[in-house]
Amino acid sequence: DIQMTQSPSSLSASVTDRVTITCRASQSISNYLNWYQQKPGEAPKLLIYAASSLQSGVPLRFSGSGSGTDFTLTIRSLQPEDFATYYCQQSYSFPLTFGGGTKVEI
Amino acid sequence: QVQLVESGGGLVQPGGSLRLSCAASGFPFTDYYMTWIRQAPGKGLEWLSYISGSASMIHYADSVKGRFTISRDNAKNSLYLQMNSLRAEDTAVYYCARHSALDYHYFMDVWGKGTTVIVSS
Repeated sequence: DIQMTQSPSSLSASVTDRVTITCRASQSISNYLNWYQQKPGEAPKLLIYAASSLQSGVPLRFSGSGSGTDFTLTIRSLQPEDFATYYCQQSYSFPLTFGGGTKVEI
Repeated sequence: QVQLVESGGGLVQPGGSLRLSCAASGFPFTDYYMTWIRQAPGKGLEWLSYISGSASMIHYADSVKGRFTISRDNAKNSLYLQMNSLRAEDTAVYYCARHSALDYHYFMDVWGKGTTVIVSS
């Protein structure tokens, strides 16, 4: 199974900060990497697919990069509605696996 | 409006069974792979099972293989998860999600709100 490791597990930030979350795969997954945002009490929401493609309707301040084993989600200027938990997920092979999550707090 | 609505959750004793349903609307259900994911209280996301549009391809996580069965009824636009031999560690919110694809990249782009399963005596 492919293990996905996110760092940090949590971070504190302020509105307008630039935030970077990293995700590392235990083996190369090319660019088969997706990012999701989850707010408390809500279902996850797709932000980025194929490592760097922005899902329709997602603000341009979100971006993704990386290939192989190392990936990054960047929020260019953090907004109040961005405080949430973020998960990476590999779609390279079964079983599909998620990272442990990164909680972005004030 | 594209929508997924889960139902069937509840309180069940250890060793018991439960069948979850997911009603899809607003998109051609047959054309999409579907998946179940769960989230234990205060924990992260765990993928459970995946089924192709025709049900010809099915995958399970090791944690549920042999105990859970995914199925779908395309005539009813519905996805199911039959859960047997339930354990306390199966307590979670269960989500169904739609898998979309682009250039061989698969991603879960539509999620239901989830249904809660509690396994306890």
